Amino acid sequence: DTVMTQTPLSSPVTLGQPASISCRSSQSLVHSDGNTYLSWLHQRPGQPPRLLIYKISNRFSGVPDRFSGSGAGTDFTLKISRVEAEDVGVYYCMQTTQFPTFGQGTKLEVK
Amino acid sequence: EVQLVESGEGLVQPGGSLRLSCAASGFTFSSYGMSWVRQAPGKGLEWVSYISSSSSTIYYADSVKGRFTISRDDAKSSLYLQMNSLRDEDTAVYYCVRNPERLFDYWGQGTLVTVSS
Repeated sequence: DTVMTQTPLSSPVTLGQPASISCRSSQSLVHSDGNTYLSWLHQRPGQPPRLLIYKISNRFSGVPDRFSGSGAGTDFTLKISRVEAEDVGVYYCMQTTQFPTFGQGTKLEVK
Repeated sequence: EVQLVESGEGLVQPGGSLRLSCAASGFTFSSYGMSWVRQAPGKGLEWVSYISSSSSTIYYADSVKGRFTISRDDAKSSLYLQMNSLRDEDTAVYYCVRNPERLFDYWGQGTLVTVSS
């Protein structure tokens, strides 16, 4: 299985300030079709996860442009340019290049 | 609007069985692969099973292989998960998820399965 490792596991942030989450995979996520199937999900307390970013850097429908994704191969980053109150919750990276696996989750909370 | 509504929530004893259902609407269900993903209380996400649009391809996580069976009824726009030989560690919220081209784009609200004596 491809192991996904996120850092940090907890991130206290100030509203209006940027935030960044890293995700590293135990093997390359480049698929034989040339795509890299790395996604980011956001889960608010008591809610199901929702898709934010797919294939490293593509924002899903309705996702604000303050969210951006980057990276390649085994190292990926989610950035929030200016954190808003609605952004709190847990963020997961996931890969679907192989059988799907998820990172442990990073809890974003307001200072 | 894409909607996925799970049902089948319940408390079951270890070794017991339960069947989950997911009713889909707002899209052409027969055209999409679908997955079940679970989340144990206070824990992270774990993919459980996948079924392709034609039911020709089915995958299971090692943790449920031989005990769970995924299926679909395109005429009813429904996805199912038959869970047998349930264990304590199967206790989780189970989410139905749409899977176009390796994306997990829409998630249901989830249904809680509790395995306990």
